[in-house]
Amino acid sequence: GIQVEQSPPDLILQEGANSTLRCNFSDSVNNLQWFHQNPWGQLINLFYIPSGTKQNGRLSATTVATERYSLLYISSSQTTDSGVYFCAVDRRGSQGNLIFGKGTKLSVKP
Amino acid sequence: DGGITQSPKYLFRKEGQNVTLSCEQNLNHDAMYWYRQDPGQGLRLIYYSQIVNDFQKGDIAEGYSVSREKKESFPLTVTSAQKNPTAFYLCASGGLRITDTQYFGPGTRLTVL
Repeated sequence: GIQVEQSPPDLILQEGANSTLRCNFSDSVNNLQWFHQNPWGQLINLFYIPSGTKQNGRLSATTVATERYSLLYISSSQTTDSGVYFCAVDRRGSQGNLIFGKGTKLSVKP
Repeated sequence: DGGITQSPKYLFRKEGQNVTLSCEQNLNHDAMYWYRQDPGQGLRLIYYSQIVNDFQKGDIAEGYSVSREKKESFPLTVTSAQKNPTAFYLCASGGLRITDTQYFGPGTRLTVL
C-alpha cells in the first residue's frame, strides 16, 4: 500500500518564527489533506490539496504531485499553532478512506 | 450545532471487560470511521462504514466490533480479545467522494487497568 512519511517528527520554534513541514508519499494520489491536532486531541482539517497551492491566513500548502510531496508552511507562528500536524492521502480502491502519516509535533514557545 | 460527538471522554476498563464507545454525527454524512491513536503515532483505521447496515474492516480490526443501525450513529465495541486496548480513539465522518474531507469528534481516551 501507499506509504506516507512526514518530516521532521518534532519541531520547536520561538513565537514569530516560520516553519516548513514536509509530507512524502509513495504513489500518485487523488486526495491529500493536512490536519492539525491540538494538544487536547481535536483534529481539524486545514487543507484539501492533491495538487497546487492554497493559502489560509498564516498557513499555506503546496503539493507537487509529480514529485510526490507536499509542504505545509506556517508563518509568524503563534503558541496556538502548537500540536501535531498530519498529512493524509487517499487509499486506493476505497473512496473517502485515508492513510495518515505519523505527524510532525510542533511546539511554539512564547 | 452540527458536528460529531463522542462519549465518554475518558473511560477506564478492567481487563477482560468489553466496553462500547459512542459516536454520533448530525452532519448527514454517509461515511463514518473509527481510528486508534497511540502516543507518537499517526491514526490507524479500525473500521469504516459507508452505508447503514454495512461496514468494512480497516487495518487493525482484530478485537473490535462495530454496528451501523442508523446513519447518525457508529458505536465501537472494544472486546476482551483486543490485547492492548489502551489508546485514544477517534471517530470521524465524511462524504463518499474522493475529494471529501473527514470531520473528527473530540475522541475517547480508553485506559485498561
